[in-house]
Amino acid sequence: ETGVTQTPRHLVMGMTNKKSLKCEQHLGHNAMYWYKQSAKKPLELMFVYSLEERVENNSVPSRFSPECPNSSHLFLHLHTLQPEDSALYLCASSRTSGLTDTQYFGPGTRLTVL
Amino acid sequence: KNEVEQSPQNLTAQEGEFITINCSYSVGISALHWLQQHPGGGIVSLFMLSSGKKKHGRLIATINIQEKHSSLHITASHPRDSAVYICAVGGTSYGKLTFGQGTILTVHP
Repeated sequence: ETGVTQTPRHLVMGMTNKKSLKCEQHLGHNAMYWYKQSAKKPLELMFVYSLEERVENNSVPSRFSPECPNSSHLFLHLHTLQPEDSALYLCASSRTSGLTDTQYFGPGTRLTVL
Repeated sequence: KNEVEQSPQNLTAQEGEFITINCSYSVGISALHWLQQHPGGGIVSLFMLSSGKKKHGRLIATINIQEKHSSLHITASHPRDSAVYICAVGGTSYGKLTFGQGTILTVHP
């Protein structure tokens, strides 16, 4: 399998649930990202990991908790979410976290919070 | 005001037409990216520019650093070009791209 994969593709959860989103990249990249895309709003960067260390945390609420156990895997742990957190969550990876490196995106997880 | 502004927000064209999508930004940048997002969410990177012009097939991207402006052109448009086109700029922070709101392009046969 190649590229960037995300699971699950769709997730419906209640406000009291705990769930996790998973991202895996098969490109040998050293940087991974979580983005949020809400309806009618631009993509928003949530977290950046470079060589498994978090290098950017874009003022994201603590109910979103990222984890990067190795350079190929990235998780986003979710707990006590709000309905306004419903969005498309996209993972991406790039060779480095440099801004001139192309980012490769996964297909996204469509999250609905009831 | 957003740091990255795209125009138009919506664009409808007939197959074969020449299309231009514009992106203006207000911050100093190290690179500008053009991305394509198809229905269903998947995003593909089209170009990364720091100066001048790049061409790939029917797609051409230009950037004017002094004017803080970039354009994406599609020649001989086709219905399969229908997608959302997104401009993103990178400043100085690690990996931090700032995105425009996207241009929804629909090409009719």
